[in-house]
Amino acid sequence: QKEVEQDPGPLSVPEGAIVSLNCTYSNSAFQYFMWYRQYSRKGPELLMYTYSSGNKEDGRFTAQVDKSSKYISLFIRDSQPSDSATYLCAIVKTGGFKTIFGAGTRLFVKA
Amino acid sequence: DTGVSQNPRHKITKRGQNVTFRCDPISEHNRLYWYRQTLGQGPEFLTYFQNEAQLEKSRLLSDRFSAERPKGSFSTLEIQRTEQGDSAMYLCASSLLQAEQYFGPGTRLTVT
Repeated sequence: QKEVEQDPGPLSVPEGAIVSLNCTYSNSAFQYFMWYRQYSRKGPELLMYTYSSGNKEDGRFTAQVDKSSKYISLFIRDSQPSDSATYLCAIVKTGGFKTIFGAGTRLFVKA
Repeated sequence: DTGVSQNPRHKITKRGQNVTFRCDPISEHNRLYWYRQTLGQGPEFLTYFQNEAQLEKSRLLSDRFSAERPKGSFSTLEIQRTEQGDSAMYLCASSLLQAEQYFGPGTRLTVT
């Protein structure tokens, strides 16, 4: 079983839709939860990170962590064609340095 | 531009040759990471430096792979006796905080 599972998609939505991207993880010792966006042939770009259960909002993006269910989500409001990219969740274990990435979900936002 | 830079951006090499990649982190960042990414997958952790010390190394990093970060500044990743399975994007990231990693554009390696 992979430590982080993420549905690869692709996910296709119309412009303006609310997008929900999700990951599950297997180890309760994970401490930091991050979301990255990656455009084709570019390096990943950090969107946001959080340490604890609950919600964290930044503009059109909301990250949600549910440690009891080992489930993390990223919501994108008012999605735009420029949001079309691969979205990667990433997790770091408590006391460790290794960052574990999900496989990424490809998102297409149609104009 | 004060972001993470990587050189070369592309490298084509023949099987059995050695290759070396360079990463220049954001200047004040003491943490530096190397990852490998293949098509359709997320980045896989290879190794981590804090200043010049290599503190963690993945089991993925066979003895053909070596990384250095002399003086805690730039870092190099060398692959000896390359194999076709080494073809991938090699990504470098740097950070001050563990959760805020900033990635470079990557070096795309093709082994023929």
